[in-house]
Amino acid sequence: DIQMTQSPSSVSASVGDRVTITCRASQAVGTWLAWYQQKPGKAPKLLIYGASSLQSGVPSRFSGSGSGTDFTLTISSLQPEDFATYYCQEANSFPSPFGPGTKVDVK
Amino acid sequence: QVQLVQSGAEVKKPGASVKVSCKASGYTFTNYGISWVRQAPGQGLEWMGWISAYNGETRYAQKFQGRVTMTTDTSTSTADMEVRSLRSDDTAVYYCARRPPNSSGYCGAFDIWGQGTMVTVSS
Repeated sequence: DIQMTQSPSSVSASVGDRVTITCRASQAVGTWLAWYQQKPGKAPKLLIYGASSLQSGVPSRFSGSGSGTDFTLTISSLQPEDFATYYCQEANSFPSPFGPGTKVDVK
Repeated sequence: QVQLVQSGAEVKKPGASVKVSCKASGYTFTNYGISWVRQAPGQGLEWMGWISAYNGETRYAQKFQGRVTMTTDTSTSTADMEVRSLRSDDTAVYYCARRPPNSSGYCGAFDIWGQGTMVTVSS
């Protein structure tokens, strides 16, 4: 099975900062990679699908890139509502594992 | 609007079974798959399996094979997941999520999520 890793596991940032989160798959997954945002006590929310396509309604400060095994989620200018945990997911096949998550908190 | 509404919280004893329901509305149920994901307290997301609402085909994570059964009822647009032989480490929030077909361009991503169902396993 494919394993997913993320780095960093947590990042402290301020409003306005540029934040970059990296996700790596143990095998190539093409662009079948999704990113989710989760806030405490809430269900995950889809941000990015197909590695770089922005889900409808998601602010354009979120962007995704990469293919194969290495992927990046970037928040260009962090907003107060962006403090949350972010997960990547390999969606090419079954099982469809998630990365361990990256928590973005207040610096 | 498009939504998935899950059944309420459950408290079960070790060894018991639990069934979590997920009712879809606002879209054609049989055009999509449903995946189930769980999250133990303070932990990350764990993919459990998938079911096609079109033909009932299922895929399970290996660790849940034989202990989890996913079903759908197209007459009520509902997906159910039963977990048997519950243990304390099954205590988690269980989510259903909609998986668009591969032809949709969503590349397997889960675009709509239920609100989650807390299952507590305790003696």
